[in-house]
Amino acid sequence: DAGVIQSPRHEVTEMGQEVTLRCKPISGHDYLFWYRQTMMRGLELLIYFNNNVPIDDSGMPEDRFSAKMPNASFSTLKIQPSEPRDSAVYFCASSVVPPKLFFGSGTQLSVL
Amino acid sequence: DAKTTQPPSMDCAEGRAANLPCNHSTISGNEYVYWYRQIHSQGPQYIIHGLKNNETNEMASLIITEDRKSSTLILPHATLRDTAVYYCIVRVDLSNSGYALNFGKGTSLLVTP
Repeated sequence: DAGVIQSPRHEVTEMGQEVTLRCKPISGHDYLFWYRQTMMRGLELLIYFNNNVPIDDSGMPEDRFSAKMPNASFSTLKIQPSEPRDSAVYFCASSVVPPKLFFGSGTQLSVL
Repeated sequence: DAKTTQPPSMDCAEGRAANLPCNHSTISGNEYVYWYRQIHSQGPQYIIHGLKNNETNEMASLIITEDRKSSTLILPHATLRDTAVYYCIVRVDLSNSGYALNFGKGTSLLVTP
């Protein structure tokens, strides 16, 4: 298996633009997680899905952030409009038996 | 979840055993100890977990004290590729408890030639 696949690997955008991050979980994993990592706050859970249904989105910082999982093999995290303080590494992870998670390589987001 | 305390950094010579301690003195009876590591520029990687018995897999061994107030992750023969930040996490393993793993700051392990 190729593991959790995230795209793009790097994203540079200007403040106010829409940003979409993508994730393909490991086949057969019915849990999917979105995390954000910054130097100041470390790794933070934003939202997680079980069987494509959002279970806990209490970590989503504000309404500018939204996440979807239209099917078992794809999820997106969207930021609209983006702000410089959204600059971080965004990780997607999937799992069969949480909290044993398998993480992707992350998307490095820079908002100028 | 119980809080964990780890040293901020450690060094280890290549080929020697790396012993990474973790204190979790407030752990409760149904909380597991999980270890993850994060190599620079990569996502965190699951290593091992345990409840009260010692555990071993192809990556490492986990030694949990009898009172469960502390544990040690052992990398038996550290290599340069083991240089990473190691996170000790205590978590209740229930399906409906939520999964906001608190990674904390971890221990930065440097393996030297």
